[in-house]
Amino acid sequence: GESVGLHLPTLSVQEGDNSIINCAYSNSASDYFIWYKQESGKGPQFIIDIRSNMDKRQGQRVTVLLNKTVKHLSLQIAATQPGDSAVYFCAENPHAGNMLTFGGGTRLMVKP
Amino acid sequence: EPEVTQTPSHQVTQMGQEVILRCVPISNHLYFYWYRQILGQKVEFLVSFYNNEISEKSEIFDDQFSVERPDGSNFTLKIRSTKLEDSAMYFCASGGQGRNNEQFFGPGTRLTVL
Repeated sequence: GESVGLHLPTLSVQEGDNSIINCAYSNSASDYFIWYKQESGKGPQFIIDIRSNMDKRQGQRVTVLLNKTVKHLSLQIAATQPGDSAVYFCAENPHAGNMLTFGGGTRLMVKP
Repeated sequence: EPEVTQTPSHQVTQMGQEVILRCVPISNHLYFYWYRQILGQKVEFLVSFYNNEISEKSEIFDDQFSVERPDGSNFTLKIRSTKLEDSAMYFCASGGQGRNNEQFFGPGTRLTVL
């Protein structure tokens, strides 16, 4: 498991409650943002993305909000389920290429 | 549903040895990537590959690293002379289009350098 290295902020929520995970990005030139979910021992799994010409995008049970003024991104998960327990990373595309720059991650723990 | 696959799932090697990590991207994708994640840390970009050449690379991707697409399906990352600090999860990703489009990640290869 992830017992060493960077200490991850943790959000603990009750099953059925809504979760909000926040991310501050660094580059004002970034124009594409993605939220990834990573379960233990697995690769990042795409959840939802948003381009900088939008400030909100909704998926199934998830909503991403983008505030370019303060360089802030949030992921809202409605009716959180135990299967949502994972580490969530935001990622930005900071310049003309395709590389993604990942944030530090937030661990979401869902209590049944 | 198509997915990126990676082999092996875990590779243990001695310091100074060469390793090759293998990936099979999603079949109709044109953009390929390697990222790494040191235990408990952020996912870090290594390199992107398009049209049979490197399109971007990070400072991590030094002369010890190379990538290759030896045939129509595989995408490999070679580390020529492994160091202890190369121990990490290595993720391959692929994308169907250029920038600002989704990158699909594989399950990763855990590399342990002793």
